[in-house]
Amino acid sequence: DQQVKQNSPSLSVQEGRISILNCDYTNSMFDYFLWYKKYPAEGPTFLISISSIKDKNEDGRFTVFLNKSAKHLSLHIVPSQPGDSAVYFCAASEVGGTASKLTFGTGTRLQVTL
Amino acid sequence: KAGVTQTPRYLIKTRGQQVTLSCSPISGHRSVSWYQQTPGQGLQFLFEYFSETQRNKGNFPGRFSGRQFSNSRSEMNVSTLELGDSALYLCASRGGLSGWNEQYFGPGTRLTVT
Repeated sequence: DQQVKQNSPSLSVQEGRISILNCDYTNSMFDYFLWYKKYPAEGPTFLISISSIKDKNEDGRFTVFLNKSAKHLSLHIVPSQPGDSAVYFCAASEVGGTASKLTFGTGTRLQVTL
Repeated sequence: KAGVTQTPRYLIKTRGQQVTLSCSPISGHRSVSWYQQTPGQGLQFLFEYFSETQRNKGNFPGRFSGRQFSNSRSEMNVSTLELGDSALYLCASRGGLSGWNEQYFGPGTRLTVT
């Protein structure tokens, strides 16, 4: 039972345009959400997070939006750069649980083309 | 500040053997978690250790075990290896002043079982 779903395994975007990566979840107990970026042969790198008490969090070119009623979050990258090409994982943490026990989606491979 | 280190980076084992993987967290981090990454399942939580105690465990068979030492270094052990155990095993540490809810991953150990 996949509690965190990233339904798009891949996404291709032109440099300078906006990249939108989507994530859906089913567990109502999730209250903290994170995005990680992963390059080949490296571990995932923390990108940005959002608490369930917010609906938006920005950090430079990265913005995460959370729609609790729809159990949906998205990561926007503006403008997209070739160095953003990587696999992006959405992850979630439960209320009252340890924040180390993350439930991850299966990832979306983003390719930013010139 | 050194990141999370994992040894070895690559490992080839035969079915039925056992294997031990090592993880050194970021200095000052007391929480260490382990994840298994496979192409079909994404990242799946194995277990978390905090101050030498297992604090949380994922849905993996008892063949997967771990421990943490007083210096926060952690090891995970897989006994009676199966072909399906072939995966990238990621260690992550958390805590300290860097943000309680963000984990920092090591580069992983690529285990191949033949």
